Parts: sequence; C-alpha cells; structure tokens
Amino acid sequence: GQNIDQPTEMTATEGAIVQINCTYQTSGFNGLFWYQQHAGEAPTFLSYNVLDGLEEKGRFSSFLSRSKGYSYLLLKELQMKDSASYLCAARDSNYQLIWGAGTKLIIKP
Amino acid sequence: IAGITQAPTSQILAAGRRMTLRCTQDMRHNAMYWYRQDLGLGLRLIHYSNTAGTTGKGEVPDGYSVSRANTDDFPLTLASAVPSQTSVYFCASSVDRENSPLHFGNGTRLTVT
Repeated sequence: GQNIDQPTEMTATEGAIVQINCTYQTSGFNGLFWYQQHAGEAPTFLSYNVLDGLEEKGRFSSFLSRSKGYSYLLLKELQMKDSASYLCAARDSNYQLIWGAGTKLIIKP
Repeated sequence: IAGITQAPTSQILAAGRRMTLRCTQDMRHNAMYWYRQDLGLGLRLIHYSNTAGTTGKGEVPDGYSVSRANTDDFPLTLASAVPSQTSVYFCASSVDRENSPLHFGNGTRLTVT
C-alpha cells in the first residue's frame, strides 16, 4: 500500500534549526510537496521536489532522495510564527497526492 | 484577491439532511479537489476534477457527490449526512494535476449530529 511517515510532534527552540523527516512509499513517484498549516487554517504550499537534492527558499530548505524514499524539511532561525503543522505529500504514478498526518512543530522561547 | 472561497465557514447539520458545500476559485485553475481532514489522519481525497465537465472519485467518495459545470465552481454535496462525515472539508485547486502545487480554501468545519 501507499504510505507516508512523519513524526507526530517535535519541539524546538526559537532561533535554532529543526529538521522534519518524511519517508514515503508510493506506486511510482511524481514529486514531493511540503505544506505548512497553522491551527484552524488552510495548508499553504512551502516546497516541491521532484529531483534528488536540496531546494532552498530563504529560511526553509527541502531535500529529496528518491532512491531512499526520503525527504526532509529544514527550518533555520526558528521564529515563534513557525509553530504549525508541517504536511508531507508524495505524488504517485496516477498523480494522486498521498498525504502524511503532519508533524506538529512547537517552538519554545 | 485571487484565491479560493469556501462557504459556509462552519455548519451544524442534523443527520439525514442534505448539504452542499460551495467552492469557487478565480485563478482559472483546471484541476479542483475536495479533501477531508480528521485529527490524526492525513488529508483524504473525496473527489477531484481534472477540468470542467469531468470528475473522478478519490480515496473516500462514498456519501458524497460533486459536479463541475464550469471552471470556477466545484460544489460538494452530502446527500444524507451521517455523524462520520463530521470533519473539516478543504477545497483546493491547481493549474494541472501533474506538476503544480495545490492552493487551498479556508475550509468548512462540518458537524453532523
């Protein structure tokens, strides 16, 4: 079956760096997405990886290894506003998105 | 402001009643989707539409129907609501299904009693 695994919850300190891991098993692969979702709000798009390697966007970076079925989202210089859930989603051979349950990131001062 | 509008924001519905959740986008995106989000679970696809005039079933389509009469609108109908349909419903759209990211509406929180 198709599956996405990511940690349920992580805690980090303001100003620090945190890495949120995601492993996926899909029938075929057509890209991996990361979304941010604040409590009570809609998910918002953060990054998209389809090739192996690191994509950097300001304080956020996303990495993909297709051979390992693995991705991570790296958040630098953490701010209190980064407290949110981070959703990993992989696109399968039918272009359907398979979603993880999300990682709740708690930032402490 | 371009984006996706969902209505209502929240609703309490008696079991057995019919309900239509509305979704409108003004980005001229071809693909649209309906998801439900439940605590501890990933987003689950209910129905989708690749382009106006076509629809498809997602992972959890039972008890729901959709239509796509034009590019902008993608309503979701619950024919006879049941308590297990209590959830937060998100409508989303994308330029296409193959490569582009999804843009989400603000969601409808539905409680079926």
